[in-house]
Amino acid sequence: EADIYQTPRYLVIGTGKKITLECSQTMGHDKMYWYQQDPGMELHLIHYSYGVNSTEKGDLSSESTVSRIRTEHFPLTLESARPSHTSQYLCASTAGPLSDTEAFFGQGTRLTVV
Amino acid sequence: GESVGLHLPTLSVQEGDNSIINCAYSNSASDYFIWYKQESGKGPQFIIDIRSNMDKRQGQRVTVLLNKTVKHLSLQIAATQPGDSAVYFCAENAGGQNFVFGPGTRLSVLP
Repeated sequence: EADIYQTPRYLVIGTGKKITLECSQTMGHDKMYWYQQDPGMELHLIHYSYGVNSTEKGDLSSESTVSRIRTEHFPLTLESARPSHTSQYLCASTAGPLSDTEAFFGQGTRLTVV
Repeated sequence: GESVGLHLPTLSVQEGDNSIINCAYSNSASDYFIWYKQESGKGPQFIIDIRSNMDKRQGQRVTVLLNKTVKHLSLQIAATQPGDSAVYFCAENAGGQNFVFGPGTRLSVLP
């Protein structure tokens, strides 16, 4: 079982609130990713990091931001939540380049903005 | 642009039968493919992978077939069990920064 954890698992929050979704892994992986997934739909990459102090935007435009101050921690922040942000957010990490190895996923955070 | 798509959004099979889940991809430069299984309320889990220099790879009860000529990938599950009920995603990587995931096929195993 992969050692990558996301909190909270479920979050219902009001419009305009600031929220941070937590993701931590204990595998020592340099590369970490955030995906957004609507129910039954494909995963879209919104952020990734190749190591400490490295963050990049993914394929899908997102109003969220990320930080990577420690190898094991890759939090995602929404400064002002909106109903359009309602979705599932999945964090993943890999030991090497994505072209060489599988990604380990967390359980996900299901976010509902009301 | 690059895309990965699944032919069927849902698939229902009888317990004990074999399942075949299909995937089409459009980037001929893709050289690494993975099948993931996602159970309700959980993150995707790795099932099996295959590189473009292979056309078949077998795991425990699962087989992945790759047909580069028609850019088609399939996942075969032998003797499907209730625990196999989940959404299955194929993902491709062309050596870039990330995988392209398809929309997923929901597999339902009937008793």
